[in-house]
Amino acid sequence: DAGITQSPRHKVTETGTPVTLRCHQTENHRYMYWYRQDPGHGLRLIHYSYGVKDTDKGEVSDGYSVSRSKTEDFLLTLESATSSQTSVYFCAIRLNLDRGGGNTIYFGEGSWLTVV
Amino acid sequence: SQQGEEDPQALSIQEGENATMNCSYKTSINNLQWYRQNSGRGLVHLILIRSNEREKHSGRLRVTLDTSKKSSSLLITASRAADTASYFCATDRGNEKLTFGTGTRLTIIP
Repeated sequence: DAGITQSPRHKVTETGTPVTLRCHQTENHRYMYWYRQDPGHGLRLIHYSYGVKDTDKGEVSDGYSVSRSKTEDFLLTLESATSSQTSVYFCAIRLNLDRGGGNTIYFGEGSWLTVV
Repeated sequence: SQQGEEDPQALSIQEGENATMNCSYKTSINNLQWYRQNSGRGLVHLILIRSNEREKHSGRLRVTLDTSKKSSSLLITASRAADTASYFCATDRGNEKLTFGTGTRLTIIP
């Protein structure tokens, strides 16, 4: 258990409201990720972080911002939620368990967001 | 854009049979990984195969990788009801990110 906690796990919000999802880890992993999962699209990377205050965009970053002010927390913010952002959001951390340099990902349990 | 595409999108087999899923990708990779996702849960890592490997085994799982064809396959032998899940391939290009495919939904019929 890599100790990832996502909150909230379920949320319904109205179009135009801001929403923040939190990912908390307990094991000091450097890399953290936010993915969204939608039918027919699989998982798509929104943003990721490679250290405190170090973040970068993924393939679907428009409409999202992130912050990482301390190692254990990675926040995903929807500044003004839209119906197209209704999705399941997964936080993940990178585990370097392979001595050959292959990195695997450990996922949280997901946050179900509905924008009405 | 998706790097990996799984085939088939959905697969139903009888318990005890073998299940084969395929993954194709577009660019060169450092390694390819397979993950499983049970309904309503996060993804769980199953197995990793490096670009210089052709086959790898882990329990009832067998993964092959053909870098010339940019494809991989996941074989689950002697399937069980508990294997019912979605399976995703993910490619690592050495750029700190994994890119996932769209998944194969496997149903094992008791």
